Amino acid sequence: QVQVVESGGGVVQPGGSLRLSCTASGFTFSSYTMHWVRQAPGKGLEWVAFIRYDGSNNNYADSVKGRFTISRDNSKNMLYLQMNSLTTEDTAVYFCAKDAFPGIAAAGAPFDYWGQGTLLTVSS
Amino acid sequence: DIVMTQSPDSLAVSLGERASINCKSSQSILYTSNSKNYLAWYQQKPGQPPKLLVYWASTRESGVPDRFSGSGSGTDFTLTISSLQAEDVAVYYCQQYYFSPLTFGGGTKVEIK
Repeated sequence: QVQVVESGGGVVQPGGSLRLSCTASGFTFSSYTMHWVRQAPGKGLEWVAFIRYDGSNNNYADSVKGRFTISRDNSKNMLYLQMNSLTTEDTAVYFCAKDAFPGIAAAGAPFDYWGQGTLLTVSS
Repeated sequence: DIVMTQSPDSLAVSLGERASINCKSSQSILYTSNSKNYLAWYQQKPGQPPKLLVYWASTRESGVPDRFSGSGSGTDFTLTISSLQAEDVAVYYCQQYYFSPLTFGGGTKVEIK
């Protein structure tokens, strides 16, 4: 069955860095655009970034542009989010999510599978 | 960016009664070439990730009970729960996937009256 499992969250000081990982299984990972979505404590959902199924294109929310980098390794069925220059505003649960349809280059599909999320806390 | 505005922020409905949640996009998310509205609805229960309920504004995801239905086109959309069950207590989000950045509504909390 389809599974996406996030890891790598933790407590980081402001200005610090962290890399999140997402392990995918149960589907042809290389055929699906993948996303990171975050949710601050008690708040709503905020899309963070996507990466095209072949890794050739990506895009970011303005709130993280220039600080976060999304990447993937299709040979390992892995998705990553490198986060630099972290601020307290980045504190959230980070979800990895899969496009519902294969071969979508950018926007164009809802998210049909989500991981349980990994918590990032930015605090001194 | 396309702004998604949901209303109400919360609502309390008696068991077995109808619940309706509205979502308005700041610009049309109807792609005229395929006549599809790029609008999804998600359900999120406490401590869980969101679950896809409806996409293309009105297509129910496999396994979703038929008491959930989506409607609307262009900029105005509605998620209706025809007969509220106890397990439907959750926060519901709309999302546009027409254009990047993909954006979510602020959420509507549904409770039992």
